[in-house]
Amino acid sequence: DAGVIQSPRHEVTEMGQEVTLRCKPISGHDYLFWYRQTMMRGLELLIYFNNNVPIDDSGMPEDRFSAKMPNASFSTLKIQPSEPRDSAVYFCASSSIRTVYNEQFFGPGTRLTVL
Amino acid sequence: AQSVTQLGSHVSVSEGALVLLRCNYSSSVPPYLFWYVQYPNQGLQLLLKYTSAATLVKGINGFEAEFKKSETSFHLTKPSAHMSDAAEYFCAVSEGGSNYKLTFGKGTLLTVNP
Repeated sequence: DAGVIQSPRHEVTEMGQEVTLRCKPISGHDYLFWYRQTMMRGLELLIYFNNNVPIDDSGMPEDRFSAKMPNASFSTLKIQPSEPRDSAVYFCASSSIRTVYNEQFFGPGTRLTVL
Repeated sequence: AQSVTQLGSHVSVSEGALVLLRCNYSSSVPPYLFWYVQYPNQGLQLLLKYTSAATLVKGINGFEAEFKKSETSFHLTKPSAHMSDAAEYFCAVSEGGSNYKLTFGKGTLLTVNP
């Protein structure tokens, strides 16, 4: 199994630009999670999907952030417009109802720098 | 609501010494508990998990954790630290059932000195 795949691994952009982060979950997993990690706030859950449907987006910081999951093998997290305070590492994780104990498998992350 | 507190944002030990990383949780239902490890510039990897089958849980790389309900704790230990254990460690809690959210602690950075 290839594990959770995220792209790009690194992204540097200028304030005001649109940023799109991508995630491919483990095949067969029906839960997908987006997290943000910063020194100040630690690891925060932004949103999660079940069977491609958003279940809880209460962690999305503001309207500049949006996430979609058009099919079971692909999800995007978009920031438009980006701001320097969005600089962080963004992780995608997936899980399956068959894991029973809610174990999540994490991707390698995307390090975003907004100048 | 569930929450996790990790005592000590940074722990430093000598190679060969005991590793003890502390985690306390709160949960309104019997929880599932996890320890994840994050090596530099990598994602989180599962070390071990408590799922009510046994209170002492053994994980990878010689780590283990003991669930103590009376103390609401799930501390992570390893008898002898190795240089390769240097990483950040996260404790997490889930209520289980249909709730698939994990709530993470703020992490503890483990440094191993030669």
